[in-house]
Amino acid sequence: GQQLNQSPQSMFIQEGEDVSMNCTSSSIFNTWLWYKQDPGEGPVLLIALYKAGELTSNGRLTAQFGITRKDSFLNISASIPSDVGIYFCVRLGAGGTSYGKLTFGQGTILTVHP
Amino acid sequence: EAGVAQSPRYKIIEKRQSVAFWCNPISGHATLYWYQQILGQGPKLLIQFQNNGVVDDSQLPKDRFSAERLKGVDSTLKIQPAKLEDSAVYLCASSGGTRPEEQYFGPGTRLTVT
Repeated sequence: GQQLNQSPQSMFIQEGEDVSMNCTSSSIFNTWLWYKQDPGEGPVLLIALYKAGELTSNGRLTAQFGITRKDSFLNISASIPSDVGIYFCVRLGAGGTSYGKLTFGQGTILTVHP
Repeated sequence: EAGVAQSPRYKIIEKRQSVAFWCNPISGHATLYWYQQILGQGPKLLIQFQNNGVVDDSQLPKDRFSAERLKGVDSTLKIQPAKLEDSAVYLCASSGGTRPEEQYFGPGTRLTVT
């Protein structure tokens, strides 16, 4: 099945620092998604990437869809305490019974010290 | 707009007991999902409904898990009998269908089986 490998597994940073995390896959993706899960809540979509090489920003967040279509990275600039949470890269199923199905990576846990 | 509602938020039961979780999706969302999130892992899809029909239940352990969405609106997920390894957060999500990549998650039900 689809294998998503996220790194690092966890990060401890100071407020104001920039953060970078990435995700690799054993197979080609058509759509890369990044979701964030706040403590005690369900995940929320941050950014969706639809084609190889695409670079997309959402406020202080920037994500890129790798040229090989097997990887993606997410950057957070000037981190703040509310950035704390788990960041997931996610595969979106494209067709048939997989349409709309989300497959999550294991997540990167981010802790921000004030 | 009200979000996805789930109840209860927490449940503690003994192994071999039964438990049921309830989900009310965002009004008008035709697609409803149930996910299982074991501690330290990303959510894993258990079952997907389109209106009141099952689209995908390939990952649902059908010997003990069941789910229904009789009127195409709210849904229940049941475990009978529970095992220790069922301890997890059970997340419900819904989507409107036009953007399957954007699923709206409820806060989840944290189940502890002792």
